[in-house]
Amino acid sequence: EAQVTQNPRYLITVTGKKLTVTCSQNMNHEYMSWYRQDPGLGLRQIYYSMNVEVTDKGDVPEGYKVSRKEKRNFPLILESPSPNQTSLYFCASSSSAPHRGYTFGSGTRLTVV
Amino acid sequence: KQEVTQIPAALSVPEGENLVLNCSFTDSAIYNLQWFRQDPGKGLTSLLLIQSSQREQTSGRLNASLDKSSGRSTLYIAASQPGDSATYLCAVDNQAGTALIFGKGTTLSVSS
Repeated sequence: EAQVTQNPRYLITVTGKKLTVTCSQNMNHEYMSWYRQDPGLGLRQIYYSMNVEVTDKGDVPEGYKVSRKEKRNFPLILESPSPNQTSLYFCASSSSAPHRGYTFGSGTRLTVV
Repeated sequence: KQEVTQIPAALSVPEGENLVLNCSFTDSAIYNLQWFRQDPGKGLTSLLLIQSSQREQTSGRLNASLDKSSGRSTLYIAASQPGDSATYLCAVDNQAGTALIFGKGTTLSVSS
């Protein structure tokens, strides 16, 4: 089944403790991206990657890092999480063709205390 | 900068009613428009994708239309059911093709 898989689904952590949220897709998509969703603010892009070793900032990149060493994986790294990073996070992927649709993962609910 | 607006923000209807959700965007230079469904605290499920050269797409009881020139899309849901209760999100590609720009969504409640 074609899908984007995120792990973990739920995570509670403490301020300053480094964490990684994994994202993997099995559709051989070139493009991958991370979004966060917050009440009243909607979905906002954090980082994206057009292909292996090619990453760039989205609208809200502060406090996050990403890497794209393999085509299928695009982990999101919070090196020193803070409470304002408490959010629902989504990974998405798409082919690089112009008229493409996006497939989203099931989401990771992160709470930073 | 592309902005996407969805009206209404919330909608309550009785079961069986036909309904229309609206989406407008400020920049007509888009690749695609995609409608998603989101259940509370859950992921995004793609419902319909309309390419910029298309006028509409249909899937079962759902029909989405696109009018690029006026910057509008509608999602028509026929014969609504309680299981349709969810938040519906409209999203368009940005001009660079590097991001989806989302509206804030319409939360639909269908009562039996």
